[in-house]
Amino acid sequence: ETGVTQTPRHLVMGMTNKKSLKCEQHLGHNAMYWYKQSAKKPLELMFVYSLEERVENNSVPSRFSPECPNSSHLFLHLHTLQPEDSALYLCASSQDRKASGANVLTFGAGSRLTVL
Amino acid sequence: AQSVTQPDIHITVSEGASLELRCNYSYGATPYLFWYVQSPGQGLQLLLKYFSGDTLVQGIKGFEAEFKRSQSSFNLRKPSVHWSDAAEYFCAVGARNTDKLIFGTGTRLQVFP
Repeated sequence: ETGVTQTPRHLVMGMTNKKSLKCEQHLGHNAMYWYKQSAKKPLELMFVYSLEERVENNSVPSRFSPECPNSSHLFLHLHTLQPEDSALYLCASSQDRKASGANVLTFGAGSRLTVL
Repeated sequence: AQSVTQPDIHITVSEGASLELRCNYSYGATPYLFWYVQSPGQGLQLLLKYFSGDTLVQGIKGFEAEFKRSQSSFNLRKPSVHWSDAAEYFCAVGARNTDKLIFGTGTRLQVFP
């Protein structure tokens, strides 16, 4: 049990579908993150939320829409995705979002997304 | 801007053998350094971290890493590998003036009995 739970674990969707990924953390952390993990590429930070406020958006296409209703839950809403968006999407949390790179992340197991 | 390189994409070792995974970074000051491990079908788990102080850091599962400023390296070591150590290992670098955490591309470790 990592303390960060992601659902669904696997998702297959067509390019015209709308779906959502869900993340829940049980650690009392104040910051939550979405990362994209593609084969043979470094992890890509997509979004950062600190105390439910979005503080980082790394030029992610608008077909990805995050939502953080409270400090324990994070969603990634997906619509009109492309096949190249197929990847493992990892949610993570940290105690706080430090202004330095000293954030220790706790990751969920990921949601494996396949776009047909 | 900081960057991190893991030169070895794939490493194979026999169970019981020693292990060293390489990590080189580029950053103008002393960085924050991390090693994470990802088992199949799982997310990343923190093995160890270096923020300051003793340059040899101990982590979970018998792993250790040594920060060598002169070589800009933070190599991960384990004296005797177990079959359960088969996984992908990621080195990450954080800068002291930004919350950006940069990950390497990972090294996949395979362990033969």
